[in-house]
Amino acid sequence: DVKVTQSSRYLVKRTGEKVFLECVQDMDHENMFWYRQDPGLGLRLIYFSYDVKMKEKGDIPEGYSVSREKKERFSLILESASTNQTSMYLCASSWKRSGQGTDTQYFGPGTRLTVL
Amino acid sequence: AQTVTQSQPEMSVQEAETVTLSCTYDTSESDYYLFWYKQPPSRQMILVIRQEAYKQQNATENRFSVNFQKAAKSFSLKISDSQLGDAAMYFCAYRSAWYGNKLVFGAGTILRVKS
Repeated sequence: DVKVTQSSRYLVKRTGEKVFLECVQDMDHENMFWYRQDPGLGLRLIYFSYDVKMKEKGDIPEGYSVSREKKERFSLILESASTNQTSMYLCASSWKRSGQGTDTQYFGPGTRLTVL
Repeated sequence: AQTVTQSQPEMSVQEAETVTLSCTYDTSESDYYLFWYKQPPSRQMILVIRQEAYKQQNATENRFSVNFQKAAKSFSLKISDSQLGDAAMYFCAYRSAWYGNKLVFGAGTILRVKS
């Protein structure tokens, strides 16, 4: 079974703090993704990575950065947390190739971040 | 840019009955993939069903089936013989066949199952 884990289920931080969210997958997937999930808005893509040290901006990258130094690990960084970054953050991974069953995204359990 | 719309924020169904969740999308592409993902309360999101746009036949996975209407850009999910374990948030998602593995999600529909 594919396993995607995230470093914390719940996190509370103060405005202005630097926040690291970590995601690890054990399936040797090339692609990794960070989403934020907000009520009424669904999931919105923040950043994704299709290889080590490669990254691309998603739809809402402002205020975030990412790091992928190893294939299995993808980190989301909030340089200076703000209250409007309070949200559920979901990590996902998938194979790079397309085709039946190979483009399924596997999700982590999510991190509920509260910024006070 | 592609958009995905789920117009039903919440739906309810009686156990053992059938329910249909709606999804429409907007795209100018002819080749793409559509998905339904399920997010149970406090549990990880999982793939329910997948449809290739070039296939006319509707995808089916056990009690889950889709009604894919390409011309109408509609992709509804039918759940037959609903079970308590089907209660979850359901997301419809779109992926371009040409631009990598990025998914565009709808806002989600909460499905409640009554016993």
